[in-house]
Amino acid sequence: GDSVTQMEGPVTLSEEAFLTINCTYTATGYPSLFWYVQYPGEGLQLLLKATKADDKGSNKGFEATYRKETTSFHLEKGSVQVSDSAVYFCALTITGNQFYFGTGTSLTVIP
Amino acid sequence: DGGITQSPKYLFRKEGQNVTLSCEQNLNHDAMYWYRQDPGQGLRLIYYSQIVNDFQKGDIAEGYSVSREKKESFPLTVTSAQKNPTAFYLCASSATGPHGQQYFGPGTRLTVT
Repeated sequence: GDSVTQMEGPVTLSEEAFLTINCTYTATGYPSLFWYVQYPGEGLQLLLKATKADDKGSNKGFEATYRKETTSFHLEKGSVQVSDSAVYFCALTITGNQFYFGTGTSLTVIP
Repeated sequence: DGGITQSPKYLFRKEGQNVTLSCEQNLNHDAMYWYRQDPGQGLRLIYYSQIVNDFQKGDIAEGYSVSREKKESFPLTVTSAQKNPTAFYLCASSATGPHGQQYFGPGTRLTVT
């Protein structure tokens, strides 16, 4: 079946450090891939997305590239800030009707 | 502004009582979803609806019920049969089509004592 596996957390980084959160997927078709961010006590917000192989999604300094050959969609940011502290979810959809989420990776950035 | 609203933000109930969580969207989306999130956990799908007057069970539907009488509304009832109802509940919606993203509401934190 379709599924997403993402890096276990929690992750703690110092401000301005480089961030990578790994995400790999299994899909029966051609998925669209997403990264969502959740701040404490809030709903999920779309951070970025990619709809086909080799697409790069980017937003607020975060990037992720849809790699079909490795079935991956790793999230990266060159220099994290304290305000990036949140939980990050990788997700996919094939049909646009059902969505599959990873378990989330908690990121804490310390000054 | 278009979006999804959930009310209330916090809800407290006594064990044995049914409680209904509200979810409204003005994005004109056909599909709507309910997820449950427990501390430190990912999202688990409770119910989803792709069209008015139709809905399907998700992975953890037992003890929950929904209705979809209007396109913009998808209320969730947590019944007394739900053994462990205390959780954070998230409503989402999406447009039809293979590349559509989900839009989430702010969530309702339900505490049952």
